Amino acid sequence: DTGVSQNPRHKITKRGQNVTFRCDPISEHNRLYWYRQTLGQGPEFLTYFQNEAQLEKSRLLSDRFSAERPKGSFSTLEIQRTEQGDSAMYLCASSLNREVLAKNIQYFGAGTRLSVL
Amino acid sequence: DAKTTQPTSMDCAEGRAANLPCNHSTISGNEYVYWYRQIHSQGPQYIIHGLKNNETNEMASLIITEDRKSSTLILPHATLRDTAVYYCIVSIYSNTGKLIFGQGTTLQVKP
Repeated sequence: DTGVSQNPRHKITKRGQNVTFRCDPISEHNRLYWYRQTLGQGPEFLTYFQNEAQLEKSRLLSDRFSAERPKGSFSTLEIQRTEQGDSAMYLCASSLNREVLAKNIQYFGAGTRLSVL
Repeated sequence: DAKTTQPTSMDCAEGRAANLPCNHSTISGNEYVYWYRQIHSQGPQYIIHGLKNNETNEMASLIITEDRKSSTLILPHATLRDTAVYYCIVSIYSNTGKLIFGQGTTLQVKP
């Protein structure tokens, strides 16, 4: 168990550019979540995958945001035409959900901090 | 999802017990109480969860009132490394599992 890994840790970009973040969950975890956290606030839910299926998206996830989880393993979060308001910490979490054993304890990565200039 | 109310900040002396309260008066019968904490510049870390019975693990104890409208997280012997933001969250067991974070309680452990 190597934990949830997120790359890059920091990303600085200019307004209007596209960025992509990667999350590698704990192996065999079938659930994967993306959250966004701005300074002084708690994390906000963005989207959720069960295996490769994206089952829920928050209203916060505008059409400039897209997330994928091909083959139910790693996930990517892409932001197109970045805006200054996209500056935040993007957190990924994974959990294991198997029927009766499900506790849905989420394990978080350290996050990717995005700064849009 | 039920909302929670927590004090904005608390202080605790190193070595003493830290008692962090949480109100969740609108909790429904199938919702669990989860506690996570976030140390500066890190992702949130799971601490403990419970439904209606008190729970204890190696990190903390969780006391849930009989009417389930409030709970208290207890760190029995706080250390400086316990300085963090503590989040109390209610979530339906085995649903999508998304966590709805509030602003949490900033716990400052002082020497």
